[in-house]
Amino acid sequence: QSVLTQPPSASGTPGQRVTISCSGSSSNIGSYTVNWYQQVPGTAPKLLIYSNDQRPSGVPDRFSVSKSGRGTSASLTISGLQSEDEADYYCAAWDDSLMGVFGGGTKLTVL
Amino acid sequence: QVQLVQSGTEVKKPGASVRVSCKASGYIFTSYGITWVRQAPGQGLEWMGWISGYNGNTKYAQKFQDRVIMTTETATTTAYMEVRRLRSDDTAVYYCARATMQGQRGFMGRLDPWGQGTLVTVSS
Repeated sequence: QSVLTQPPSASGTPGQRVTISCSGSSSNIGSYTVNWYQQVPGTAPKLLIYSNDQRPSGVPDRFSVSKSGRGTSASLTISGLQSEDEADYYCAAWDDSLMGVFGGGTKLTVL
Repeated sequence: QVQLVQSGTEVKKPGASVRVSCKASGYIFTSYGITWVRQAPGQGLEWMGWISGYNGNTKYAQKFQDRVIMTTETATTTAYMEVRRLRSDDTAVYYCARATMQGQRGFMGRLDPWGQGTLVTVSS
């Protein structure tokens, strides 16, 4: 059971917009920076979004994030969905239990 | 370019130890930390701990505190992670990643890049 809760799966057709949620608490998302990672099956994870809303070079601006009004949840939105976006997505943050925590991961399928 | 290259696949028996290496290149090793993350077959990512490339300070997840040792060798810009008293549920791909704390709240850091992963299989 992950400290950060993500839906196990999400899907969309090419061109659609898809949102993946990451729910936590004041002990993690509410207090610390949230980063997002993309993992194509069989490969190492890759940094997708950091410092809540920054994209490394090479990551298109189709990927964006937001935090809920209460600050304990975050969401990743992918606009203009493309076939190469099919991957697993993980949110991550520090936790007051003095450890890093990841969401359980969301498998995105492009139909 | 910034790169982390890990050691190869390991097969171990329960109760044994394994040491995974992570060779860093393309950046100043002492200016960043290294975080270790593992992924059991078909499962998600699990944070194991972090080590400073500057002074070797460590932070471990509580569940690994008594079985995992993380070290660095500055002269060879290599990080190591040893897991002792292996169990079958330690079977996983183990990743190292460069951790940047600048601009981050908390000690998770942004993890970029990642090594290619090392598969450790524990089986009798």
